[in-house]
Amino acid sequence: KAGVTQTPRYLIKTRGQQVTLSCSPISGHRSVSWYQQTPGQGLQFLFEYFSETQRNKGNFPGRFSGRQFSNSRSEMNVSTLELGDSALYLCASSLKGGSSYEQYFGPGTRLTVT
Amino acid sequence: QKEVEQNSGPLSVPEGAIASLNCTYSDRGSQSFFWYRQYSGKSPELIMFIYSNGDKEDGRFTAQLNKASQYVSLLIRDSQPSDSATYLCAVNTVRDDKIIFGKGTRLHILP
Repeated sequence: KAGVTQTPRYLIKTRGQQVTLSCSPISGHRSVSWYQQTPGQGLQFLFEYFSETQRNKGNFPGRFSGRQFSNSRSEMNVSTLELGDSALYLCASSLKGGSSYEQYFGPGTRLTVT
Repeated sequence: QKEVEQNSGPLSVPEGAIASLNCTYSDRGSQSFFWYRQYSGKSPELIMFIYSNGDKEDGRFTAQLNKASQYVSLLIRDSQPSDSATYLCAVNTVRDDKIIFGKGTRLHILP
């Protein structure tokens, strides 16, 4: 079974621009969660989508948004990029929604904001 | 108190020995506990999960859960240089139904 895929793998953007990241979950998985990983803060939860609905969200500003499509693929958008948004963005898929179930991570998108 | 705490390390263990990684958590209602391995420059890989008190073994890995003391540990037997990585402990929080990650313990296996 294919794993979680994320595109693009690397991205360089300029402050003020916006960016869209994509995630395709493991086949049959309906939940997609997004995380931001930085050396200082570690892995921080952004939001979770399940059955095309945002099920949960973390403590990030409204510049961070996402959506999920009927095939469970998910996109994450960051508008008005700031230097501090430079990070590894990871998506994780799970068979069911909620925090009780195992999550499997994709390879991540490395975003650099200059 | 941080929700999930781990010693940042590095923890140095001789090849062939047992590596013991510990994690404490603050939410008494937590029910799901996960261990991830992350190599430098790579994404986290799920290696163990445990839901019930006691031990769970999978190959060279054993996860131990003690809900009364609110800690979970990971033992790696017969440590190999390829086990050198950062190990992330993750715990679900009942209060807001999220998975919270510790900042990880860097493990270094000495050849």
